[in-house]
Amino acid sequence: EAGVTQFPSHSVIEKGQTVTLRCDPISGHDNLYWYRRVMGKEIKFLLHFVKESKQDESGMPNNRFLAERTGGTYSTLKVQPAELEDSGVYFCASSPGGQQFFGPGTRLTVL
Amino acid sequence: AQSVTQLDSQVPVFEEAPVELRCNYSSSVSVYLFWYVQYPNQGLQLLLKYLSGSTLVKGINGFEAEFNKSQTSFHLRKPSVHISDTAEYFCAVSDLRYGGATNKLIFGTGTLLAVQP
Repeated sequence: EAGVTQFPSHSVIEKGQTVTLRCDPISGHDNLYWYRRVMGKEIKFLLHFVKESKQDESGMPNNRFLAERTGGTYSTLKVQPAELEDSGVYFCASSPGGQQFFGPGTRLTVL
Repeated sequence: AQSVTQLDSQVPVFEEAPVELRCNYSSSVSVYLFWYVQYPNQGLQLLLKYLSGSTLVKGINGFEAEFNKSQTSFHLRKPSVHISDTAEYFCAVSDLRYGGATNKLIFGTGTLLAVQP
């Protein structure tokens, strides 16, 4: 069974540009989470989808971040416009209810 | 609100020596407790979890952790480490309210375990 996949693995963009991160959860997992780790700090929760609905988006830092989950399958996280402080590793996780399974992350660098 | 403290950012240890990675948490409600491991260029993998019952929890790869409610700790231990245990280890909690097991995870800052030959 395929695990959680994330694309791209790395992204380097300039301040002010737009970037879209994608997460494909494990098939059949209704719960999908986004987390972010800024260099040297803790992994922080961004938001939680149940199917296509946002269950909890309390961790989204500001309105430059937009997350969607089309048809309850894959999810995208768009950052527009990107700022320097958005640099970090973005993790996606999925769960059938219980244990969360994590993807390898997308490393975003904003110059 | 919950918080997790991992005081040791890095723990160097020789191969076959025992190791303890410390984790303390703060919460006004009951929580689930987790340890995750991240090997280089991989995602986070669940090592073990405490939901209820016995306070000594055994996980994969010979790791175990003990939940101590009075000290609000959930330290991770392994009696004899291998080179392959070199990785970053994260302690996490989620609260039992509302969705319970589907709630978000609150992570500590991670501890890098560096096993030397």
